Amino acid sequence: RKEVEQDPGPFNVPEGATVAFNCTYSNSASQSFFWYRQDCRKEPKLLMSVYSSGNEDGRFTAQLNRASQYISLLIRDSKLSDSATYLCVVNPATGKLIFGQGTTLQVKP
Amino acid sequence: DAGVTQSPTHLIKTRGQQVTLRCSPKSGHDTVSWYQQALGQGPQFIFQYYEEEERQRGNFPDRFSGHQFPNYSSELNVNALLLGDSALYLCASTRTSGAYEQYFGPGTRLTVT
Repeated sequence: RKEVEQDPGPFNVPEGATVAFNCTYSNSASQSFFWYRQDCRKEPKLLMSVYSSGNEDGRFTAQLNRASQYISLLIRDSKLSDSATYLCVVNPATGKLIFGQGTTLQVKP
Repeated sequence: DAGVTQSPTHLIKTRGQQVTLRCSPKSGHDTVSWYQQALGQGPQFIFQYYEEEERQRGNFPDRFSGHQFPNYSSELNVNALLLGDSALYLCASTRTSGAYEQYFGPGTRLTVT
């Protein structure tokens, strides 16, 4: 079983749609959680950290369910510029980031 | 405020050769991690350096080695290159070897022929 699992997609959605990505992790001792965004052939860029209380940044909302070892990312009012690969990332408090395979989002006009 | 920088951006090597990749961390960061990203996959952790020592290592062979300098910059060395070493090599830095967010450089794309 992979340490971090994501549905690779692709998710094809029209502009303005709401889309949700999910991720599960296997290490119950994991301490911190992130979503990174990666554009084609570029480096991953931190989108947001994920907290147990949930957090929101504009059109993006992240949720963490420690009991189910589940992380989610919700994108509202999708823009063409949101097209990218979204990486679910877990840090088991050792400084080593464990990445999921990534979920590809394509927003269509 | 300079972000993480890496050099070179692209590199082509032949099987059996050796390669050295370089990374300068973001200002104020003291910990550097290296990742390998194959096409279509998420980055895989290679190792992490803090206080000039390797603190953690992922599941990579001894052909992969590294170094951190007193100014916190780092090198990744790969010996006896294999075709399977072709990938994007990413360097990430953070303020401490704890759970803080890591910031990535643009990567070095290595092609082994």
